[in-house]
Amino acid sequence: DQQVKQNSPSLSVQEGRISILNCDYTNSMFDYFLWYKKYPAEGPTFLISISSIKDKNEDGRFTVFLNKSAKHLSLHIVPSQPGDSAVYFCAASQGDMRFGAGTRLTVKP
Amino acid sequence: ETGVTQSPTHLIKTRGQQVTLRCSSQSGHNTVSWYQQALGQGPQFIFQYYREEENGRGNFPPRFSGLQFPNYSSELNVNALELDDSALYLCASSSSDRAYEQYFGPGTRLTVT
Repeated sequence: DQQVKQNSPSLSVQEGRISILNCDYTNSMFDYFLWYKKYPAEGPTFLISISSIKDKNEDGRFTVFLNKSAKHLSLHIVPSQPGDSAVYFCAASQGDMRFGAGTRLTVKP
Repeated sequence: ETGVTQSPTHLIKTRGQQVTLRCSSQSGHNTVSWYQQALGQGPQFIFQYYREEENGRGNFPPRFSGLQFPNYSSELNVNALELDDSALYLCASSSSDRAYEQYFGPGTRLTVT
């Protein structure tokens, strides 16, 4: 029962360009959405979140967009930097947290 | 500010054995959640503890159990280990007023042979 899906296992972008990571969910009861970044041999690091009552949240180079009617979430990174290369997990919560399978982002110099 | 720490880093056990994994919360955090992450998948919620009581549980059998101590550190116990229990086990802590923002430890890699 995969309630949170990240359909792109990998994404490669050029340094300075925009990275767009996508996430779909099925449970309309989720009330909070988050993005985590994970480097090898480390635990996931909290990046940015958004409440279900909002449609956009911005923090520096990172912006999360929420489209509740489409049950779709996206993370925009502008401009992308080589240090952004990592696995990005989308997560959704209604008490307990459900994670997608992750998207590996590679930013090429 | 001390982050979330977990021990041990790696562990190898035999099928049928029992294992205990440990987690120390980030200072100021009173809620601990445990996750299992299989290779190529996202973390799956096992359970959460708040004020030493289980506060939610995912779809895991009763042989997965836990404890939270007065200093908010926590243990995950797994009995009767199965081969499919081989995974990375992640602990995350949060504060009750920002429960959604969970801060993860580096994980314990468990291999069951």
